[in-house]
Amino acid sequence: QTVVTQEPSLTVSPGGTVTLTCASSTGAVTSDYYPNWFQQKPGQAPRALIYSASNKHSWTPARFSGSLLGGKAALTLSGVQPEDEAEYYCLLHCDGPWVFGGGTKLTVL
Amino acid sequence: QVQLVQSGAEVKKPGASVKVSCKASGDAFTGYGFHWVRQAPGQRLEWMGWINVDNGNTKYAQQFQGRVIFTRDTSANTAYMELSSLRSEDTAVYFCVRQLRLGELSAWGQGTLVSVSS
Repeated sequence: QTVVTQEPSLTVSPGGTVTLTCASSTGAVTSDYYPNWFQQKPGQAPRALIYSASNKHSWTPARFSGSLLGGKAALTLSGVQPEDEAEYYCLLHCDGPWVFGGGTKLTVL
Repeated sequence: QVQLVQSGAEVKKPGASVKVSCKASGDAFTGYGFHWVRQAPGQRLEWMGWINVDNGNTKYAQQFQGRVIFTRDTSANTAYMELSSLRSEDTAVYFCVRQLRLGELSAWGQGTLVSVSS
């Protein structure tokens, strides 16, 4: 089965910019993987942020953006806010099944 | 905007089955479908599978094949996940997730805690 890899943890300063990535063990992530990104805070259900690599939901803050970068899916937060501290998960459609990454714990410090 | 409300927490003994429901409101219960995802305590999200709400077709993750069944009742705007032969490792919060369009997962249910213990 495909393994999807994310950075286990990242730290960013308030107001800064950070990029989280999502890689597939089978090769480059393309739009055919329909990358989705979710934010999860402790004790809460995940919240969808990005779908199909770069599309935002109506509720997604403008500081969040998605892209395909260097063979990976990427989530960039620009002008990070303290409330962005959370776990972030990517999800890829891997030729049949969908597979989650292990999550990135983002600390705002 | 679609909202998903799941059934309440369950406590089960090993070997039993559990059925979790996910009722949708705020959109037409047609088009694409529902994913089911679980999260064991302190662990990552785990994709369990997907059901097409229009034709009932399903796709299950390999690790759940033979033990999970997804169904839907279009008249009740509700999707169901039934997991059988429960073991302690199945203790987790189970989520339903709505997919409205190709590649677009959007709303999540609030989660249902299933505890498996003797």
